[in-house]
Amino acid sequence: LAKTTQPISMDSYEGQEVNITCSHNNIATNDYITWYQQFPSQGPRFIIQGYKTKVTNEVASLFIPADRKSSTLSLPRVSLSDTAVYYCLVATQAGTALIFGKGTTLSVSS
Amino acid sequence: NAGVTQTPKFQVLKTGQSMTLQCAQDMNHEYMSWYRQDPGMGLRLIHYSVGAGITDQGEVPNGYNVSRSTTEDFPLRLLSAAPSQTSVYFCASSTPTLSYEQYFGPGTRLTVT
Repeated sequence: LAKTTQPISMDSYEGQEVNITCSHNNIATNDYITWYQQFPSQGPRFIIQGYKTKVTNEVASLFIPADRKSSTLSLPRVSLSDTAVYYCLVATQAGTALIFGKGTTLSVSS
Repeated sequence: NAGVTQTPKFQVLKTGQSMTLQCAQDMNHEYMSWYRQDPGMGLRLIHYSVGAGITDQGEVPNGYNVSRSTTEDFPLRLLSAAPSQTSVYFCASSTPTLSYEQYFGPGTRLTVT
């Protein structure tokens, strides 16, 4: 399984766009990139998943360059409620397990 | 749908005691997993199951047993609790593979004294 590296923490203000970059240099051909969000005392919640280029849903966008060695989660116009830990994961579709790192703690201030 | 439910929410054990953490899902998901999360850390996979009757070890399986007799239930057994097993335990389910969106339960906070 490819190891991921992401910043330990980030700070932002309400209304700003936040971009969290994740490095996964050893990503395999069949691997997908998935992001989860976790609030204190809750289980993680799926945000978005992608294979290449760009994926967008109602919550976030995921940008993946052609070499797929990194990815960027973009949160548009964050609010205080977006304060959470964000995890970047790489996993195969073949059914192997998910490996969570320490994630990025995002703090949004007013 | 209740989604993924876990019981109990909190538990205190003495060293050497055994117990079972319960996990159930009503989404007919084939895949279920158990993770533990220590303070300030990410989640670590303990055991997982790709269907009834099939289980496999994750990253940190020692000290834990699982079984999957039905699609809905995936209990985690602590055989002889140790202080190192103090953690928050999360159960998750998903379909069609583990790498797709996983649905997590609310967690069980376990303290071993």
